[in-house]
Amino acid sequence: EDKVVQSPLSLVVHEGDTVTLNCSYEVTNFRSLLWYKQEKKAPTFLFMLTSSGIEKKSGRLSSILDKKELFSILNITATQTGDSAIYLCAVDTYGNKLVFGAGTILRVKS
Amino acid sequence: GAGVSQTPSNKVTEKGKYVELRCDPISGHTALYWYRQSLGQGPEFLIYFQGTGAADDSGLPNDRFFAVRPEGSVSTLKIQRTERGDSAVYLCASSLTGGQPNTEAFFGQGTRLTVV
Repeated sequence: EDKVVQSPLSLVVHEGDTVTLNCSYEVTNFRSLLWYKQEKKAPTFLFMLTSSGIEKKSGRLSSILDKKELFSILNITATQTGDSAIYLCAVDTYGNKLVFGAGTILRVKS
Repeated sequence: GAGVSQTPSNKVTEKGKYVELRCDPISGHTALYWYRQSLGQGPEFLIYFQGTGAADDSGLPNDRFFAVRPEGSVSTLKIQRTERGDSAVYLCASSLTGGQPNTEAFFGQGTRLTVV
């Protein structure tokens, strides 16, 4: 059974801290790994990763994939209260569907 | 439309009743997906449409759940004889072309279904 596991389940940090969120996966067919930010209800797209070792960056967020060790990390530097959300990791398994992890709840305190 | 639109945003229904949840995808997107997200969990795949046809309905939990997309645009998820365990947020997503890499799915705001 395809599986995506995220850690930690939740995290509380202070503004300005740097956080690293983890995502490991075991799937039969791997096409890409995606990160989403979920505030309230709608997940919003952050990154899509298909190749190992190539960092994707957007402002204070960055992510990298290791296809040999089957994991990805999402880094957020200089965190702000607006970064508080659930961060979801998902794997596209060629089956036209995404397999999601349970998410990491991030709370940034001012 | 500008984004994926789902209605209603919230729905409370009594156990045993029938409900319909609507999704209006981004204009021109041929692929449409339904997911269900229970509290504390990530979204779980329900069904995928490519155009009008359900290309993959393997995630539908049982025969009380059914979805249609008759004209290849708007989709309706139908739940018969609702049970309390059906309570969740139902998310719809669309993408430009399904089954292709580098075409991320855009999610709607979801419908929070509560069965009492």
